[in-house]
Amino acid sequence: KAGVTQTPRYLIKTRGQQVTLSCSPISGHRSVSWYQQTPGQGLQFLFEYFSETQRNKGNFPGRFSGRQFSNSRSEMNVSTLELGDSALYLCASSLVPHTEAFFGQGTRLTVV
Amino acid sequence: EDKVVQSPLSLVVHEGDTVTLNCSYEVTNFRSLLWYKQEKKAPTFLFMLTSSGIEKKSGRLSSILDKKELFSILNITATQTGDSAVYLCAVARTGANNLFFGTGTRLTVIP
Repeated sequence: KAGVTQTPRYLIKTRGQQVTLSCSPISGHRSVSWYQQTPGQGLQFLFEYFSETQRNKGNFPGRFSGRQFSNSRSEMNVSTLELGDSALYLCASSLVPHTEAFFGQGTRLTVV
Repeated sequence: EDKVVQSPLSLVVHEGDTVTLNCSYEVTNFRSLLWYKQEKKAPTFLFMLTSSGIEKKSGRLSSILDKKELFSILNITATQTGDSAVYLCAVARTGANNLFFGTGTRLTVIP
């Protein structure tokens, strides 16, 4: 059974650009959550989707957005990139809400 | 304000030692506590605890939750170099499907 797949694995962008990250959950999992991990802040929750609906959102500016498709795949978008957006972005999927979440390998975003 | 605090922040032990990692929490609408191991990128799931006093075991790892005192411990016996990683504690809350993470404990096991 394939795990959570995130693409791309690495990205380098310049300030002001935008970026789209992709996450394919484990087959059959309908809940997808996104997290930002930085050395100083640890893992911070971005948003969570279930059945194509955003159900929870963390404390991030509106430049961070996402969506989920009917096949449960999810994308997150960051517009007008800032240096501080450099981080590891992790996606997690779970079968149903409130069960254990399984993480992908992450996308390492570097903003220069 | 919700918080999850892990201690110690880092730990260096020799192979064969037993370690205890701590996680305390102050979270509204607590539902469950989860432990993850993060070696390079993807945190890997270890345990999910929902009930007080019931120990969960997987090989040399075990964990228990105390919902009265609001903490959990993760024990690793007979440590091996492959146990070197960051161990993350996270809390799930009722009504929200996101996990609220602590900053982790970095464990280094030296031969």
